[in-house]
Amino acid sequence: DGGITQSPKYLFRKEGQNVTLSCEQNLNHDAMYWYRQDPGQGLRLIYYSQIVNDFQKGDIAEGYSVSREKKESFPLTVTSAQKNPTAFYLCASKGGIEQFFGPGTRLTVL
Amino acid sequence: GDSVTQMEGPVTLSEEAFLTINCTYTATGYPSLFWYVQYPGEGLQLLLKATKADDKGSNKGFEATYRKETTSFHLEKGSVQVSDSAVYFCALSARASKIIFGSGTRLSIRP
Repeated sequence: DGGITQSPKYLFRKEGQNVTLSCEQNLNHDAMYWYRQDPGQGLRLIYYSQIVNDFQKGDIAEGYSVSREKKESFPLTVTSAQKNPTAFYLCASKGGIEQFFGPGTRLTVL
Repeated sequence: GDSVTQMEGPVTLSEEAFLTINCTYTATGYPSLFWYVQYPGEGLQLLLKATKADDKGSNKGFEATYRKETTSFHLEKGSVQVSDSAVYFCALSARASKIIFGSGTRLSIRP
């Protein structure tokens, strides 16, 4: 089955710790994206990558970092510099004109 | 810059009622337009799309028509079901492979 997987589904972190969220796709898409969603809010773009070894900041990149070493993978690191990281994180890839989304990771900072 | 404005929620309807969720956009050029749906605790799924003026996207009883003259892409369904309860996002394709999303409209259907 082709699709996007995100792991873990739930993640808990202590303040001051970095944490990495996984995103993998087997759709052979070049472009991949990370979004943040807060309760009752829309999606805000964190980072995106149009091709391997290249990525650009989105609207809220501060406190986050990414890498794109393989076409299939686009991990997101939430660093200790992110002041309010508790949120639902969605990964997506783009084939043709539309985006396909993973199931999301809910991050909670304790 | 490009933007999407959609009807604020929450919207609460009785089963079998008619649904309209308004969406208007601002964009340079001729973007493609989308409606995505998000069920609780899940990612977004594409519901329907339209790529040019006067196109009608449809899926699962939902429809939306790309109206260039009014820069709108309103979502409609003739008879909603409890299973349609979700958050609906209007979106458009923008430059640099980005998609711009509206803020979402929460829909609740009463049995």
